Parts: sequence; C-alpha cells; structure tokens
Amino acid sequence: DIVMTQSPVSLPVTPGEPASISCRSSQSLLYSNGFYYLDWYLQKPGQSPQLLIYLVSNRASGVPDRFSGSGSGTDFTLKISRVEAEDVGVYYCMQGLQAPLTFGGGTKVEIK
Amino acid sequence: EVQLVESGGGLVQPGGSLRLSCVASGFTFSSYWMHWVRQAPGEGLVWVSRMNSDGSRIDYADSVKGRFTISRDNAKNTVYLEMNSLRAEDTAVYYCGRPRSSGWAQVMDVWGKGTTVTVSS
Repeated sequence: DIVMTQSPVSLPVTPGEPASISCRSSQSLLYSNGFYYLDWYLQKPGQSPQLLIYLVSNRASGVPDRFSGSGSGTDFTLKISRVEAEDVGVYYCMQGLQAPLTFGGGTKVEIK
Repeated sequence: EVQLVESGGGLVQPGGSLRLSCVASGFTFSSYWMHWVRQAPGEGLVWVSRMNSDGSRIDYADSVKGRFTISRDNAKNTVYLEMNSLRAEDTAVYYCGRPRSSGWAQVMDVWGKGTTVTVSS
C-alpha cells in the first residue's frame, strides 16, 4: 500500500500570512498518462470533506485562487497565499494512483 | 442539485451486521464510480471501498476485505455497503463520495453528510 505522510500535524497561522503543507508518498504517484494522482481535501469543523485540489495543481470548482498545489514524484505541497479565517480545518492529501486509496494523516490549520 | 444522502447507520453489537445506503440525485448515477470513506471519532479519513459504474470493478481496504461488500442498484441510484462481522474499530462516520467526472475512478468532489456507525456491546 502507498503510505502518505503529511507535515506538519498542526499549523497555527496568522490571517493574511502564507501557509504551506507538505505531503510525501512512499512511491511515485505518476501514472502512465503523465498525471500525478495526488489530491488535497479540506474538512472544515463539523462538515464533510471537500475537494480543494486534484491531480496536484488543479483547483476544484469554487476554490479561491489563494490555494495552490505543486509537486512531483513523491513530494507535494499545498500552499495558501494569504490565510483567511474560513480556511481553518483539517487538510488531507490523498493518492488515487492505486487501490487501496490512501490519505495522509491530516494537518490541522488553526488561527493564532 | 447534485446530492448524496447516506443512511442505515446505528448502534450494533460486535459481530453484528449493518447495511448502509447512499442515494444519489442530480446526476447520471449509472455513469460514475462510487466510493465509501470512513472517519473514526477524532481521527482522520480512511478510504474503505469503491465500485465502478456497472459493478464490474471493486476495490477494498485491507481492513474490511472479506467483511464488507459494496454493491449498487443503478435503477435506484443507490450504492450500498454491507458490513458483517463488525468490530469496535469499525465505529466511524461513513461517507459516500462521487468522483469529479464520469469514468474517473478517483478525485471525490461530491460527498454526503455521512451516517454514523457505532459498534459496541
């Protein structure tokens, strides 16, 4: 199984400041079609997860452009250019390359 | 409106069984893979199972293989998760999810609100 490791586990942020979350996979997430099957999800308090970024760098519908994703191989990053209060919650990376699909352990973003 | 509504959760004794349902609306259900994902209290997300549009492709997490069975009824726009030999560690909120595009096997961009399963004596 592909193991997904996120860091940090907890991320206190100041509104208006940037934030960055790292995700590492135990093997490359590159598929034969040239795409990396790495997605980012946000679970706000008391809510279901929501898709933020898919295939490394594509923002889902309605996601603000302050969110961006990058990376390749086994190392991926989610960046928030300027954190807003509504961005609090737990962020998860997930690999969709092969079953079983696996999530990272999550990064809890909270406002300082 | 695209929507997924889970039901069937509840309290069950260890070793017992439960069947979860997820009813879809607002899209062509028969064209999409469907997933189940769970979240134990205070814990992270764990993928459980998926099935393709016609039921010919199924995958499971190792932790549920042999105990859980995913199925679907495209005429009823419903995906099911039959859970047998339940254990305390199966206690969780169970979400169903739909991929972003028909034919895609992953990238869940529609999620239900979840149904809670509690396994306890």
